[in-house]
Amino acid sequence: QKEVEQNSGPLSVPEGAIASLNCTYSDRVSQSFFWYRQYSGKSPELIMSIYSNGDKEDGRFTAQLNKASQYVSLLIRDSQPSDSATYLCAVNTGNQFYFGTGTSLTVIP
Amino acid sequence: DTGVSQDPRHKITKRGQNVTFRCDPISEHNRLYWYRQTLGQGPEFLTYFQNEAQLEKSRLLSDRFSAERPKGSFSTLEIQRTEQGDSAMYLCASSKSGRQETQYFGPGTRLLVL
Repeated sequence: QKEVEQNSGPLSVPEGAIASLNCTYSDRVSQSFFWYRQYSGKSPELIMSIYSNGDKEDGRFTAQLNKASQYVSLLIRDSQPSDSATYLCAVNTGNQFYFGTGTSLTVIP
Repeated sequence: DTGVSQDPRHKITKRGQNVTFRCDPISEHNRLYWYRQTLGQGPEFLTYFQNEAQLEKSRLLSDRFSAERPKGSFSTLEIQRTEQGDSAMYLCASSKSGRQETQYFGPGTRLLVL
């Protein structure tokens, strides 16, 4: 079983819609959770971090964490073509960071 | 804060040659991580340092790979006797240890082994 699981997609949404990205993790002692955006050929860029249960909003992005279900999600409101990228979920267990394989998102103008 | 930097950005080498990559972390960060990423995959952990100490190394890491962080600042990753399977993006990330440790990535070094 992989430490972090993501649906690889591709996920396509029309411009202006809400994109919903999901991630599950296996280690219950995981302490902190991250979403990175990665454009093709570039390195990952941190867009959100979340440490406690509930929602955390930053502009058009909302991260949601449910530790009981071992589930973390990212919502992107008013999706723009520039949001088209691969989104990586990452989990810090305290000993190491684990990354999912990423979900490819395409926002259609 | 100039961010994490990596050099070179691209490297093409022939099979069997040695290559060395450099990473300069964010100045106040005491932890430095190396990852490898291939197409369609997430970053795969290679090794990490806290200050100058190498605290963990992936069991998957061949002994052809070695990393150093001699003064607790920049780090180098060396691959000896490169193989075509070593072709990948090599990513460096740095962080400040603590309960809300957060990693920031450099631009990466893309290696192509011919």
